[in-house]
Amino acid sequence: EADIYQTPRYLVIGTGKKITLECSQTMGHDKMYWYQQDPGMELHLIHYSYGVNSTEKGDLSSESTVSRIRTEHFPLTLESARPSHTSQYLCASSGISGSGTGELFFGEGSRLTVL
Amino acid sequence: AQSVTQPDIHITVSEGASLELRCNYSYGATPYLFWYVQSPGQGLQLLLKYFSGDTLVQGIKGFEAEFKRSQSSFNLRKPSVHWSDAAEYFCAVGTYNQGGKLIFGQGTELSVKP
Repeated sequence: EADIYQTPRYLVIGTGKKITLECSQTMGHDKMYWYQQDPGMELHLIHYSYGVNSTEKGDLSSESTVSRIRTEHFPLTLESARPSHTSQYLCASSGISGSGTGELFFGEGSRLTVL
Repeated sequence: AQSVTQPDIHITVSEGASLELRCNYSYGATPYLFWYVQSPGQGLQLLLKYFSGDTLVQGIKGFEAEFKRSQSSFNLRKPSVHWSDAAEYFCAVGTYNQGGKLIFGQGTELSVKP
């Protein structure tokens, strides 16, 4: 059982609000990722981090930002939410070191609805 | 460009019947291949993975998948489907030096008839 947690699970907010989606993992993984998933569509990587103070943008452009101040914590922030941000956001982590690739452990997701 | 294709958006099978979900990839390097399952309202759970070696890999919940390099495929199979297998299935591909970044297919939704 993977130990990666996301809060909130569901969030409905109005346009223009600032929101932060929290993601924490207790596995000590250096690598963490945020994927965006729309219904019936594939997951798209929007942010990733290879360790503390390391963040990069993913393949899908996103207006969100991320930070990695602690190994276990990788929050995603939207400064001003819009209806186009309505989606499910999945956080994941990997225990493979360096540039290697291994399986990703996923949280249960945060489903965001912007009215 | 690197891509993953799952040709079947939705599949319905009867409980007890066999199952095969298709996955094709386009990748320049030797791929690392994964199958994940997602139940409604949940995150993704790894079913199985292929990095190297035996091209037939066994996973959890009775699933297996076969890597066929000549066909650029990594199809998922199960000999007898249970009602609890109803979920969304995602195929994903990565390479050894991409820092864990995976490319996902758009998923296949599996429904199971009693």
